[in-house]
Amino acid sequence: SYELTQAPSLSVAPGQTARITCSGDGLSKQYAYWYQQKAGQAPVLVIYKDKERPSGIPERFSGSSSGRTVTLTISGVQAEDEADYHCQSTDSSGTFWIFGGGTKLTV
Amino acid sequence: QVQLQESGPGLVKPSGTLFLTCAVAGGSFAKTNWWTWVRQPPGGGLEWIGEIYHSESAVYNPSLKSRVTISLDKANNQSSLRLASVTAADTAIYYCASVHYYDSGAYFEIDSWGQGTLVTVSS
Repeated sequence: SYELTQAPSLSVAPGQTARITCSGDGLSKQYAYWYQQKAGQAPVLVIYKDKERPSGIPERFSGSSSGRTVTLTISGVQAEDEADYHCQSTDSSGTFWIFGGGTKLTV
Repeated sequence: QVQLQESGPGLVKPSGTLFLTCAVAGGSFAKTNWWTWVRQPPGGGLEWIGEIYHSESAVYNPSLKSRVTISLDKANNQSSLRLASVTAADTAIYYCASVHYYDSGAYFEIDSWGQGTLVTVSS
């Protein structure tokens, strides 16, 4: 079955750049989405369609895609960015959602 | 922006049936949107359960399809999730979301999420 792979954790200092990656065979064909989830809260979509930012999401959040790997980049990381980040895509038919295991970002 | 609220029993016995509803507050659920259900076990990752459109066509996660039913109550502007034969592995926070698909389903945006409701499966 199709899987998305994320590193379990990442630690960056405030003001630095965080790059969170997600890999999977289908990512070269299907769009990727990124969710931020702070402790005790519901997820928030921060990137859709590989690199698009929903309204209200700060410009320091950006997405990119290269082959079977997608990357969420947070430039000038702030303490408030500490959260779990989940990547998501769909199966080859575009019907079923698939999530990565999540990356815990520590600032 | 509409608000979504999940509700239902917080405790279900093993082999029983989990039943949750997702209601809209502060507006109406867009008829162009899908009602989507996602769950998250304590300390774990997210898992898509399935979704239903206003025409009442539903799609389900293949790993749950034999046990799950998502339905619409149009009169009350809410969606329901039913999961049968539950085990401890079904213990999770259950979320509903309002999802708008674009370009014939090529991509989507999420208009809103509920805050989630914790369901524990235990005797």
